[in-house]
Amino acid sequence: QSVLTQPPSVSGAPGQRVTISCTGSSSNIGAGYDVHWYQQLPGTAPKLLIYGNSNRPSGVPDRFSGSKSGTSASLAITGLQAEDEADYYCQSYDSSLSSYVFGTGTKVTVL
Amino acid sequence: QVQLQQWGAGLLKPSETLSLTCAVYGGSFSGYYWSWIRQPPGKGLEWIGEINHSGSTNYNPSLKSRVTISVDTSKNQFSLKLSSVTAADTAVYYCARARAPGAVAGKSWFDPWGQGTLVTVSS
Repeated sequence: QSVLTQPPSVSGAPGQRVTISCTGSSSNIGAGYDVHWYQQLPGTAPKLLIYGNSNRPSGVPDRFSGSKSGTSASLAITGLQAEDEADYYCQSYDSSLSSYVFGTGTKVTVL
Repeated sequence: QVQLQQWGAGLLKPSETLSLTCAVYGGSFSGYYWSWIRQPPGKGLEWIGEINHSGSTNYNPSLKSRVTISVDTSKNQFSLKLSSVTAADTAVYYCARARAPGAVAGKSWFDPWGQGTLVTVSS
């Protein structure tokens, strides 16, 4: 069950900036739980992209940034590159479900 | 650098029990929680459950009645069993490292992940 809502798709030309929203509720993001982001290239396992709302693991380019406000979070990709074409998922925790929860996923297309 | 390698049967018949194992190499096993996550073909991710080295478990309530996660600390491995499978359980199943020692679920992420195992349920 996806309780975090993301747009199905976003697109942009190389070099442009795109953002992906992740909308939750008062039992998950709005409750103060952290939001994390994953990148999933075709046919591969998800890879951690952003943790703790806005932190990048070692090796993740600074073109990727995360933010959180209220019951929503966002992932921004600046200087879009062809290699960024992938599916992106947000993740948090839901106290009502007592479960980790993922977003519905967003496919990023580089035009 | 921690690496996860997973294996298990890839084709099951309805009503059978899914069984997968994940081995952890190159890092600390104790203290962390270790999770199973699945992804139906063309769909999103669903958390199944987690276990720590002491055997303490947490399960997704929607799957709890059919899921058992166990741990073998002597081999740095943890396993998933899902009973009474149906076609709806067809998915790629991933193992992943979850909560760090002392961390709370509300601040925890999954990293790294195993390579994934496609499990197909078909008669």
